[in-house]
Amino acid sequence: GEDVEQSLFLSVREGDSSVINCTYTDSSSTYLYWYKQEPGAGLQLLTYIFSNMDMKQDQRLTVLLNKKDKHLSLRIADTQTGDSAIYFCAGSANQAGTALIFGKGTTLSVSS
Amino acid sequence: NAGVMQNPRHLVRRRGQEARLRCSPMKGHSHVYWYRQLPEEGLKFMVYLQKENIIDESGMPKERFSAEFPKEGPSILRIQQVVRGDSAAYFCASSPPGKTEAFFGQGTRLTVV
Repeated sequence: GEDVEQSLFLSVREGDSSVINCTYTDSSSTYLYWYKQEPGAGLQLLTYIFSNMDMKQDQRLTVLLNKKDKHLSLRIADTQTGDSAIYFCAGSANQAGTALIFGKGTTLSVSS
Repeated sequence: NAGVMQNPRHLVRRRGQEARLRCSPMKGHSHVYWYRQLPEEGLKFMVYLQKENIIDESGMPKERFSAEFPKEGPSILRIQQVVRGDSAAYFCASSPPGKTEAFFGQGTRLTVV
């Protein structure tokens, strides 16, 4: 089955770019997702990428997908203190995409 | 359009009691998913339901846990005879038919004392 790995912590200064990395084991995910979780809150879908794409840009967010290396990254440009949160990448456990497999999350800390 | 609504937000139960967690999906969404998040862990898939049907329960513990999504009313995740190890945040997500993009509720934090 799918296994998703992420680095646990990332610390950046306000205004810098943040890059959060994720590796996965199973290539059957049709979509790969990035979610954001603020303290005590639910998960907010940030963006997702179709598995046949290499890159997707959405305002300050850039998702890069390297299918050969099974590597997914999320770049946040001009990181703000409000971006401090836990970021989860997720893939599908099945072709239908109805059961997501989450990494353990990367805690992003932004200092001013 | 209100988001996915879960209640209660916090639930405290003594060992051996029952916990009932409710989830109202977004308007127009007929697919509901339940996930469990243990402290400092990622979310683990539990069950996927459509109206009146359990589609995939491969992540549900074999005993004490059950889920339903009736024709009318919210989806319910029921945990019987709770134990300390059930303490976790339980998240519900919903999606419309034909879409895999899931929207999450704010979760119910269950504490078993």
